Amino acid sequence: AQSVTQPDIHITVSEGASLELRCNYSYGATPYLFWYVQSPGQGLQLLLKYFSGDTLVQGIKGFEAEFKRSQSSFNLRKPSVHWSDAAEYFCVVLSGTYKYIFGTGTRLKVLA
Amino acid sequence: DAGVIQSPRHEVTEMGQEVTLRCKPISGHDYLFWYRQTMMRGLELLIYFNNNVPIDDSGMPEDRFSAKMPNASFSTLKIQPSEPRDSAVYFCASSADPEAFFGQGTRLTVV
Repeated sequence: AQSVTQPDIHITVSEGASLELRCNYSYGATPYLFWYVQSPGQGLQLLLKYFSGDTLVQGIKGFEAEFKRSQSSFNLRKPSVHWSDAAEYFCVVLSGTYKYIFGTGTRLKVLA
Repeated sequence: DAGVIQSPRHEVTEMGQEVTLRCKPISGHDYLFWYRQTMMRGLELLIYFNNNVPIDDSGMPEDRFSAKMPNASFSTLKIQPSEPRDSAVYFCASSADPEAFFGQGTRLTVV
């Protein structure tokens, strides 16, 4: 069965530091992959997506993610974190039956 | 487009009462999803529709929950009777491409 693993439940970084959030997926074919962000009390906003082609994808708010088939990973990165990036981040895979399968989320805390 | 619109944003009700959550998807989107989010269980898919037809309702917790999509621009999720353990944030999402767009959610509190 398809699944998504986000091994880090909480991550704390200092403002201005670089960020990498890990995501591993289990899927038989080339997956459709997404990262969503949820600010406190808000809905989920799409940061970026991967369907095919270039394995390094750019998203909004300065985020990027790299698809690595050999590692079944789709890690999210940002070179310099801003205090406004504090939120919960979800890695998502779209299954063959058109279900969006969510990881458990990583809660990011940013220190001033 | 205004995005996916959910109403109400907040709902407080007493145990045993009927609760109806509403969703207006993005125009032209042919998939609609209902999710529930809690601290303990994270985001759970309850049901999804394609072209107004329910495709998979295996995530609906029990018969107290029902969902309808009478037309392409409206869906409801009903809980009858409601129980305190139904307290959660309920999200609606719609999709036409592989990417889904989420509403702001309805925070339901059952006391």
